[in-house]
Formats: sequence, structure tokens, C-alpha cells
Amino acid sequence: QVQLVQSEAEVKKPGASVQISCKASGYDFSDYYLHWVRQAPGQGLEWMAWINPTTGNINYPQKFQGKVTVTSDASVSTAYLDLRGLTPDDTAIYFCARELSAGSSSFDLWGQGTLVAV
Amino acid sequence: QSALTQPPSASGSPGQSVTISCTGTSSDVGGYKYVSWYQQHAGKVPKLLIYEVNKRPSGVPDRFSGSKSGNTASLTVSGLQAEDEADYYCSSFAGTYNLRVFGGGTKLTVL
Repeated sequence: QVQLVQSEAEVKKPGASVQISCKASGYDFSDYYLHWVRQAPGQGLEWMAWINPTTGNINYPQKFQGKVTVTSDASVSTAYLDLRGLTPDDTAIYFCARELSAGSSSFDLWGQGTLVAV
Repeated sequence: QSALTQPPSASGSPGQSVTISCTGTSSDVGGYKYVSWYQQHAGKVPKLLIYEVNKRPSGVPDRFSGSKSGNTASLTVSGLQAEDEADYYCSSFAGTYNLRVFGGGTKLTVL
């Protein structure tokens, strides 16, 4: 079954760090960019970052520089999102999503979401 | 990088058509064919409805259609049904720095 399965919800204190995982199955993990998107309570979707699992190349907007680290481990078909210096503004559901083709901004497969409460 | 602009709400009666706009700039919506639309029901994961401006993934009804003119993309929902009541988001490739950007979302109400 083609799916992305994320780690469980986390509750953290301000200033702490958290790591969220996203495990892919049913397809070749290296064939698609993997993105992270968050959604604060009652708010819209906010794109955070992408990683190319083949090269390890990543990119994210300036807003998240110093806040976010994105990595992947192809041997276990898993991507990771590390958030540091958590504040209450980081309280959100974090989704991983597969991009249909590189650069298309078409996310055809989503994880179930991981709630991070700060 | 600024979010794409969508109207916060839209509405229509069953059977009617409604169009939701998504306005960006020449650096994102206007500059590329990579505009997508998503449907998100309350408490659910977003679902891809339209990609590359006007293409539908397998399984998406043809009541959903997309288009683009200049820096504005549009999603049209024809033959509105009760189950279309949801939040809709556009997204685009933002090429200058190979980023992506979402719109603020539109809440569609079926009257």
C-alpha cells in the first residue's frame, strides 16, 4: 500500500526541540521529493521545506532558517523534520507530502499529520 | 515569499457553479504551469484536486476544473454537492528560489 506514516503527537515545553518522522512505503522513496507542510489550529496550510531523498538537497524559505532541519534516510525510506527553539507559535499539525514531480507543487500523497503542541 | 491570495469564503447552492480565485505574481502563479488545488474537509488530510493548472488526478470528478490567466489561477466547482463543503487551497511553484507557496485558503459553503 502506497502511504506515508508519521510519528505520534508530541507535547513540548517552550525552547525544546522535536523530531517528526515520515516513513514511506509502497513506492520507491528516492523517486520523489518529500515536503513538509504545517497547519496551525484553525489556520491554513504553510509550506515549510523540501528534500530530495536521492541527493539530500534541501530547501526552505528564509522564515524557517535556523528553525528547521530536514533529513532523510533512504535505507529506511524515512524523512525527518527537526524543529528547535519551539514557541507556542509552532503549535500545529505537521504533514509530510510527496511531490508528484519535482517542482510541480503537486502533493499527491500525504501523511496523516503529527500534532506538535508547545 | 508571500502567500497566494484567495478569498476567505465562497458559497453556492446545490447544482450551481462556484469559482475560487488564487492570485500570485509573475514569480509564482504567473510564471509557471505549476499551480495545484487541494480540498480539505474538517479534520482531514488535504487531497489533491488539480495539478499543473488544469489536470485532474485519477478519481477526481470532472466537476472540478482549473484554469489560469496571468497571475491568477481559478478553481471551478460545477454542479455543487453537499460533500463539496470544505476548505480549498491553491499552491504554486515559486521559481526564483525553487520554493513552494500556498494560498490562504477558501472556505466553501454549500447553502
